[in-house]
Amino acid sequence: AQKITQTQPGMFVQEKEAVTLDCTYDTSDQSYGLFWYKQPSSGEMIFLIYQGSYDEQNATEGRYSLNFQKARKSANLVISASQLGDSAMYFCAMREGETGANNLFFGTGTRLTVIP
Amino acid sequence: NAGVTQTPKFRVLKTGQSMTLLCAQDMNHEYMYWYRQDPGMGLRLIHYSVGEGTTAKGEVPDGYNVSRLKKQNFLLGLESAAPSQTSVYFCASSYGGEAFFGQGTRLTVV
Repeated sequence: AQKITQTQPGMFVQEKEAVTLDCTYDTSDQSYGLFWYKQPSSGEMIFLIYQGSYDEQNATEGRYSLNFQKARKSANLVISASQLGDSAMYFCAMREGETGANNLFFGTGTRLTVIP
Repeated sequence: NAGVTQTPKFRVLKTGQSMTLLCAQDMNHEYMYWYRQDPGMGLRLIHYSVGEGTTAKGEVPDGYNVSRLKKQNFLLGLESAAPSQTSVYFCASSYGGEAFFGQGTRLTVV
């Protein structure tokens, strides 16, 4: 079974609009962490946002927020006020366990294109 | 502060050749990872290490070996390269929070 599922291979959004990128995860651990990374065309992996399984509040970082629904095992990324520079691949990832000692699993990614 | 540095950035190998990819981090992180990235498949974990002298298999370990003789270095070896190992390889390190990635190595096996 896939640990991380991203069902949207590609998404389009109009500049200045908000967009939600979907991510569901599968784990039996009580303690885990969820991450979102951005990969622009230049290829580097850029950390965006983190949500711990025990965090009661949804994580936010500037224009990024993580819509964490624990019962549904979903961790969707919301980007507000999209900019042309947001065009990139976005990966959801999960780390199981108390520390980073366990595997860090990635989804297959969503390619976001921002339209002027 | 260099972060995570991978060497080399590009390499072309002939089938059957061997090579070693070097990953170095200067953040004193305990955990280090090697991933491969292929189109449509995201990042798949090859091997990882939870500390100096320890390594463990990830999702796709076959055809690769690793070593972590020093805390700051994590080496990925291909003993006999195959065309199926053509990929972009990423190294990452972590203190237990988010992972910090190197810039990637594009490997082509012909």
